[in-house]
Amino acid sequence: QVTLKESGPGILQPSQALSLTCTFSGFSLSTYGMRVSWIRQPSGKGLEWLATIDWDDDKYYNPSLKSRLTVSKDTSNNQAFLKITSMDSADTATYYCAWSPAYWGQGTLVTVSS
Amino acid sequence: DVVMTQTPVSLPVSLGGQASISCRSSQSLVHSNGNTYLHWYLQKPGQSPQLLIYRVSNRFSGVPDRFSGSGSGTDFTLKISRVEPEDLGDYYCLQSTHFPNTFGAGTKLELK
Repeated sequence: QVTLKESGPGILQPSQALSLTCTFSGFSLSTYGMRVSWIRQPSGKGLEWLATIDWDDDKYYNPSLKSRLTVSKDTSNNQAFLKITSMDSADTATYYCAWSPAYWGQGTLVTVSS
Repeated sequence: DVVMTQTPVSLPVSLGGQASISCRSSQSLVHSNGNTYLHWYLQKPGQSPQLLIYRVSNRFSGVPDRFSGSGSGTDFTLKISRVEPEDLGDYYCLQSTHFPNTFGAGTKLELK
């Protein structure tokens, strides 16, 4: 059974960096073909793909945010990470990690506010 | 970037009726490996998106056969027959053939 769960700070101030952790089970990110993606959704709005990291450590980023995004992984602990620098109120959203396309985490709400 | 044009934005339906949602991509979604990575999701309020259809026409585990997907190249359709109350919510298409992956803007399926 595949499960994913996001964890993060909940709230942070403008200009701070966001660090999110995705802890998963049911698959290994060291296995050929596996990948974890990050997606976000502002309240009441649509879905935006942010980044993907592959089993072989290839990384793909949304060009509109690329300079601010970093994805990484810890295969021994079944975790993936997303860092976003210079957070702004426009980054307030629910952030999901996913073993795309089938399995998504429950999401974690991140609010950027002073 | 591949632009996914999803229509309609809102779709009023009657229970027991049929619904059809379209996603058109700005370029072909056929991957170099021959697969087409176009997927459909339903998102209910307060929940994560749930996969309905993967790779155009394959129903995910547990998805009723009332849901069907079709299409090829740049033109794709999700059909829901005999709409039930649990089908109401927001539907999204996702293309993962190309990076950046891109979603349609969503279709709200609601009661007429």
